[in-house]
Amino acid sequence: EVQLVESGGGLVQPGGSLRLSCAASGFTFSNYWMHWVRQAPGKGLVWVSRLNSGGSSTTYADSVKGRFTISRDNAKNTLYLQMNSLRAEDTAVYYCARDYSGWARFDYWGQGTLVTVSS
Amino acid sequence: QSVLTQPPSASGTPGQRVTISCSGSSSNIGSNYVSWYQQLPGTAPKLLIYRNNQRPSGVPDRFSGSKSGTSASLAISGLRSEDEADYYCAAWDDSLSALFGGGTKLTVL
Repeated sequence: EVQLVESGGGLVQPGGSLRLSCAASGFTFSNYWMHWVRQAPGKGLVWVSRLNSGGSSTTYADSVKGRFTISRDNAKNTLYLQMNSLRAEDTAVYYCARDYSGWARFDYWGQGTLVTVSS
Repeated sequence: QSVLTQPPSASGTPGQRVTISCSGSSSNIGSNYVSWYQQLPGTAPKLLIYRNNQRPSGVPDRFSGSKSGTSASLAISGLRSEDEADYYCAAWDDSLSALFGGGTKLTVL
């Protein structure tokens, strides 16, 4: 059974940093592109970042470019999102999602982890 | 980066057929596949439709998708109370980003 389990969310002050993790199981993690998608409270889904299967190619939404870094450890079957210079508008539930095709076909999602940026 | 355009709400009575539209541009829907997601309250999104009109195993055939030019649609026939949820369209954009629609809240009256 495919499982994605996010962790690392919490309350952080504006300007602070946080690292999210997404532990994958039930499939060959190193074969798939992976994404982070976020959802602010009461709002819609917003794509954040994408990483190819080998970890060498990344893309980011303009809103997080230069502040967030996506990475992966295929030996540990884990996806990461390093978030720096956090802002109030980064407050959201962050989901990791598996991409079956490499072109935004999100076939499995984690349960999400809540990040709250507030003083 | 702009979002794909969906109506904020839709509604129907049990047994009815409802459609939800998703409008984009030549750089996203016009040149890439569309997928659709269902998000029940308090849960993670679930893939409903991929490659414009394909259903993953386990998704009832009451759900169908279509695409024409720079627009796409999700149709739900034989509406049931458990279909009440938020629905999102998504597509890759040639600017190297994924785009989601703003979401449509479906109410079953």
